[in-house]
Amino acid sequence: DQQVKQNSPSLSVQEGRISILNCDYTNSMFDYFLWYKKYPAEGPTFLISISSIKDKNEDGRFTVFLNKSAKHLSLHIVPSQPGDSAVYFCAASATIQGAQKLVFGQGTRLTINP
Amino acid sequence: EPEVTQTPSHQVTQMGQEVILRCVPISNHLYFYWYRQILGQKVEFLVSFYNNEISEKSEIFDDQFSVERPDGSNFTLKIRSTKLEDSAMYFCASSPDRGTFQPQHFGDGTRLSIL
Repeated sequence: DQQVKQNSPSLSVQEGRISILNCDYTNSMFDYFLWYKKYPAEGPTFLISISSIKDKNEDGRFTVFLNKSAKHLSLHIVPSQPGDSAVYFCAASATIQGAQKLVFGQGTRLTINP
Repeated sequence: EPEVTQTPSHQVTQMGQEVILRCVPISNHLYFYWYRQILGQKVEFLVSFYNNEISEKSEIFDDQFSVERPDGSNFTLKIRSTKLEDSAMYFCASSPDRGTFQPQHFGDGTRLSIL
């Protein structure tokens, strides 16, 4: 099942610079896209989402961009902080009768270097 | 901030035995979910549950799996006869019913090890 793909398993960024995490999807029926952050031994923590009818959503240091024609989304973190070091999962949501089914990417391990 | 809690954090079970994983969703949430993550693989959807019935289930969720909301606070996942390949992290999640999109909130997971 390759409906959601994160092609970069890892990314290393200098503190204070911009981190850009990428995600591609294949199914046009997804209605929302989400980014989750995960620390070891914890569950995924919701970061930010975007509706499929939008192309940008911003929340503090986090911005998600959606390019529907390319079936591509990205998460920008600026400025990057050491506490941002974690695994980031892209997820796509298909809502059926109110219940969401999330399809996850493989995750990208982000390391912020001081 | 309200949290989804899961118990136990680690469960070790002999192959063929039944196991029950427990979750307490956030109190005002109405949609409940189970996901699993086999080591080194993606997080995979298993099942969604609303109004005391399954809304959707994946191909993974076969007759060996069942879910239940036995009371007003707990949400359980039962595996009747465990196999080695059931070894994984199992995550419970919940979301509210507010008309507009609300993201799922996840627990910290139960690591299930089948011997």
